[in-house]
Amino acid sequence: GQNIDQPTEMTATEGAIVQINCTYQTSGFNGLFWYQQHAGEAPTFLSYNVLDGLEEKGRFSSFLSRSKGYSYLLLKELQMKDSASYLCASQKEDYQLIWGAGTKLIIKP
Amino acid sequence: IAGITQAPTSQILAAGRRMTLRCTQDMRHNAMYWYRQDLGLGLRLIHYSNTAGTTGKGEVPDGYSVSRANTDDFPLTLASAVPSQTSVYFCASSFVAGNTGELFFGEGSRLTVL
Repeated sequence: GQNIDQPTEMTATEGAIVQINCTYQTSGFNGLFWYQQHAGEAPTFLSYNVLDGLEEKGRFSSFLSRSKGYSYLLLKELQMKDSASYLCASQKEDYQLIWGAGTKLIIKP
Repeated sequence: IAGITQAPTSQILAAGRRMTLRCTQDMRHNAMYWYRQDLGLGLRLIHYSNTAGTTGKGEVPDGYSVSRANTDDFPLTLASAVPSQTSVYFCASSFVAGNTGELFFGEGSRLTVL
């Protein structure tokens, strides 16, 4: 079957670090995406992992473990503008995406 | 500025009416997609097109139709709208179909069916 889970909401403090987890069950798994979506706006691409390990891109990093069906997005030095929903999506072998419901991240001063 | 344009941004529609959501991209992307986003659910694919002249059904195609007459335009039509089609609709594109890499999304069309 196809299933993807991530927490509904998380709260963190400005300047801190937060890790958003995503677990997936995807037959014919072919990669894991993270997108950011500010309220009322379109999703925008953050990262793509297909191999195990950590991909670092500035303040954001994304990790994948294929054997565990697990990924996380790590956000460092949190800023108020990072308040948004973070969408996890797994890619099937036919390249279609299965999307999680998103994690709403609230940043407090 | 290159990107994807959707219209209308918001619409209230009576049940039973026909509605077309427009989507145009100027990035010369081959693949285009229509998603709906509902509270508490992930984005769900309605229809897609890997290249001009071809279309395919996604996860929730019933009640919707699409056409892809050229590279730039990918309209979504609701033949006879029902309240369950109340949602935010996103059009997206990618350079190639398959190994989609980055999807580029339009700003969304908020549709309310009464």
